[in-house]
Amino acid sequence: GDSVTQMEGPVTLSEEAFLTINCTYTATGYPSLFWYVQYPGEGLQLLLKATKADDKGSNKGFEATYRKETTSFHLEKGSVQVSDSAVYFCALSGDSNYQLIWGAGTKLIIKP
Amino acid sequence: DARVTQTPRHKVTEMGQEVTMRCQPILGHNTVFWYRQTMMQGLELLAYFRNRAPLDDSGMPKDRFSAEMPDATLATLKIQPSEPRDSAVYFCASGLPQGNFYEQYFGPGTRLTVT
Repeated sequence: GDSVTQMEGPVTLSEEAFLTINCTYTATGYPSLFWYVQYPGEGLQLLLKATKADDKGSNKGFEATYRKETTSFHLEKGSVQVSDSAVYFCALSGDSNYQLIWGAGTKLIIKP
Repeated sequence: DARVTQTPRHKVTEMGQEVTMRCQPILGHNTVFWYRQTMMQGLELLAYFRNRAPLDDSGMPKDRFSAEMPDATLATLKIQPSEPRDSAVYFCASGLPQGNFYEQYFGPGTRLTVT
C-alpha cells in the first residue's frame, strides 16, 4: 500500500541555517503530495502542496519539489527562524481514494 | 477567516464515562475527517464523512466509538465507555474535493485525558 517516510527528528538548527527535511513516498499512480505544519498546541495547517511531477510547492519561504524519479518531496528553507519551530508532516493523497497517508512527523527546533 | 472549531478544547474524565467531542466544519465544506494523535501512534484517521454520510470508519474501535453528522454544521465523536488508552488529542478537519485530493483544514483539537 501507499506509504510516506520522513526523516526522524528532532532536527535542531540555529537561526538563519538552511533547512532540509527529507520525505520519500511509495504509491501507485500519480499521488498529490503535501507538507503540513503543526505549531505547539495547535492543529495541522497546510504549508504547501504539489499535484504532479516536477511541480514546486512554496509558501512562507518553504519549498518542496515533486520528484517522481526519486519518489521524494523534500522540504527546504533557506534561512530558518525561531518561529519555524514546529512539527512538519509529509503526506500523500493517492489515486485510490481521497484519504491522506501521513508520515510520522519531524520535530524542528530552531535555536536563537 | 473561516476556521474549523472544536469543543471542548480540553476534557478530563474518569474511566467509564461518556465523552462527546464536537466539531463545526467550515461552511460549505462537504467532507469531515476525525483524527486521533498520540505520541506512540502519531496521526490516525478514525472516520470521515462526505455530505454527512459516513464513508469510512474502519480506523475507529466500533465497540466504544461512534461518529455522526446530524447536520452540515455539526460533527460529533462519542466514546462510551472511555478508557485510559483513549487519552489523546482528537482533531477534526473539513475540506472540499480538489481533483484527486481534499485540501484539509484542521481544527485546534480536543485534548482528552481519561484517568
